[in-house]
Amino acid sequence: GQQVMQIPQYQHVQEGEDFTTYCNSSTTLSNIQWYKQRPGGHPVFLIQLVKSGEVKKQKRLTFQFGEAKKNSSLHITATQTTDVGTYFCAGPMDSSYKLIFGSGTRLLVRP
Amino acid sequence: DAGVIQSPRHEVTEMGQEVTLRCKPISGHDYLFWYRQTMMRGLELLIYFNNNVPIDDSGMPEDRFSAKMPNASFSTLKIQPSEPRDSAVYFCASSFGLAGPYEQYFGPGTRLTVT
Repeated sequence: GQQVMQIPQYQHVQEGEDFTTYCNSSTTLSNIQWYKQRPGGHPVFLIQLVKSGEVKKQKRLTFQFGEAKKNSSLHITATQTTDVGTYFCAGPMDSSYKLIFGSGTRLLVRP
Repeated sequence: DAGVIQSPRHEVTEMGQEVTLRCKPISGHDYLFWYRQTMMRGLELLIYFNNNVPIDDSGMPEDRFSAKMPNASFSTLKIQPSEPRDSAVYFCASSFGLAGPYEQYFGPGTRLTVT
């Protein structure tokens, strides 16, 4: 079946270092979404990418959608303690409204 | 808008008891999703509705689980009888689907513990 995989599972960085998480789908996606979940919280939508090769920025966060629309990445420049949480990518299954979530990358930031 | 509202926020119950989780989606949203999150299995979609009609319940673990959406502003997820392995955080999410698979807004979740 369709799968969405994310690496790494955990990343522990020193405040100020950069962070990247990668997402790979077994099938071509119509779009990809990124969510952030703070410890003890709920997933919160960050962004949606639709176009092949699309790059979007939100302050220190840069999101990319691969040319083949099967992979994506989230890069955080100069991490801060407020970036702590788990970052999930999610893609629609067979272009339906059913989202398949990746396993998430948990980011820990040492102050 | 108040966002997606879920109740209760925490539920502790004994094995064999019936558990009912409630959700109020964001007004105007026509899609509603129920998820379960555990350390072992991550975030799993259980069922989703469009305009109050169940569309895909393939993620519902077994017959002990049932979900209803009697109107556009209310949904329930019921577990009867509950088992310890049902312990998890259950999230409800809603979205506006007119433009295609669009961002989902999650509620705060219900942390269920079955002893």
